[in-house]
Amino acid sequence: KAGVTQTPRYLIKTRGQQVTLSCSPISGHRSVSWYQQTPGQGLQFLFEYFSETQRNKGNFPGRFSGRQFSNSRSEMNVSTLELGDSALYLCASSLKGQGGSPLHFGNGTRLTVT
Amino acid sequence: AQKITQTQPGMFVQEKEAVTLDCTYDTSDQSYGLFWYKQPSSGEMIFLIYQGSYDEQNATEGRYSLNFQKARKSANLVISASQLGDSAMYFCAMREGQGGSEKLVFGKGMKLTVNP
Repeated sequence: KAGVTQTPRYLIKTRGQQVTLSCSPISGHRSVSWYQQTPGQGLQFLFEYFSETQRNKGNFPGRFSGRQFSNSRSEMNVSTLELGDSALYLCASSLKGQGGSPLHFGNGTRLTVT
Repeated sequence: AQKITQTQPGMFVQEKEAVTLDCTYDTSDQSYGLFWYKQPSSGEMIFLIYQGSYDEQNATEGRYSLNFQKARKSANLVISASQLGDSAMYFCAMREGQGGSEKLVFGKGMKLTVNP
């Protein structure tokens, strides 16, 4: 069974640009979450989608947005990029969206903003 | 607010020895879940083990076991018979208990180095 797939693996953008990251969850998983990982702040929750609905959102500015499609694939978008947006962005999916089902993470997209 | 504390920034262990990675948490929820993840240098977060707040027995998964002490709010990961491939960052995380949310709060992580 294929794992969580994130594309692209690496991305270099300049300040002011926007970027879209993609995540394909494990087949059958309907819950998708996004996390930002930086050396300074660690792992921080961005948002969570279940059945195309955003169920939870972290404390990030409105420049960060996301969506989920009917096939559970998800995208996140960051507009007007800032240097501080440089990070590893991790997507995770889970089976039931509740209880003890673990989150399965992808390899991440490493975004560098110059 | 929930919080996860991992106080050990780094640990060194000899191959084949056991090692305990510390994690304490703070929550006012009665229902919560605790997770341990491993992150090699490649970046992928690998799920290791899960403990529910109502689980009466400590979780075990192969060489991984979780020493869950609810009253002390600690959930330490024990790795038995360390292997060179265990060298990685390890993160303790907690899931909020209500509404089926998938939000995890992570600790700062700790780096484990296994020496031959």
